[in-house]
Amino acid sequence: EVQLVESGGGLVQPGRSLRLSCAASGFTFDDYAMHWVRQAPGKGLEWVSGISWNSGTIDYADSVKGRFTISRDNAKNSLYLQMNSLRADDTAFYYCAKVRLAALPRGALDYWGQGTLVSVSS
Amino acid sequence: EIVLTQSPGTLSLSPGERATLSCRASQRVSGSYLAWYQQKPGQAPRLLIYSASIRATGIPDRFSGSGSGTDFTLTISRLEPGDFAVYYCQQYGSSPGTFGGGTKVQIK
Repeated sequence: EVQLVESGGGLVQPGRSLRLSCAASGFTFDDYAMHWVRQAPGKGLEWVSGISWNSGTIDYADSVKGRFTISRDNAKNSLYLQMNSLRADDTAFYYCAKVRLAALPRGALDYWGQGTLVSVSS
Repeated sequence: EIVLTQSPGTLSLSPGERATLSCRASQRVSGSYLAWYQQKPGQAPRLLIYSASIRATGIPDRFSGSGSGTDFTLTISRLEPGDFAVYYCQQYGSSPGTFGGGTKVQIK
């Protein structure tokens, strides 16, 4: 059974940093691209960042470019999102999600974690 | 960046009725790489349809997707109580992989 479990969310002051993790199990992690998608409370989905299976292709939304860094450790079956210079409008649930097809950098997202809440406030 | 516009914003229907949801793209979606997701309150999104018209594993055949280019449709042939939720489209043919704003299907 595929499982994605996010952690690392919490309350943080504007300008500070936070690192999210996503622990994956139930599939061959290093075959698949992974993405982060966020959702502000009561709002729609916003794609944040994606990383290919071998970290060779990395993309970011313009809203986080230069502030967020996605990475993965295939030996640990883990995905990360380093978030720096956080702003109030980064407040959201952050989901990690798996791309459906192996070896492609983008695709439909067939498995999602339960999300971790990041709140940015003074 | 491709902007996806979903309509209507809210759809009020009764169980057993047919739901038709629209997703319009600001530019052609490459390869018809368009997905639909369902999200219920307090839950993560669930993949329903990919490549515009292919049902994901375990999705009942009352859900169908169609369209190409810039116009796509999700149809739910006969609404069941568990289908009342918010539905999002997403294009993944080009980066960034943008989502539409969502359509809420609520009980009339």
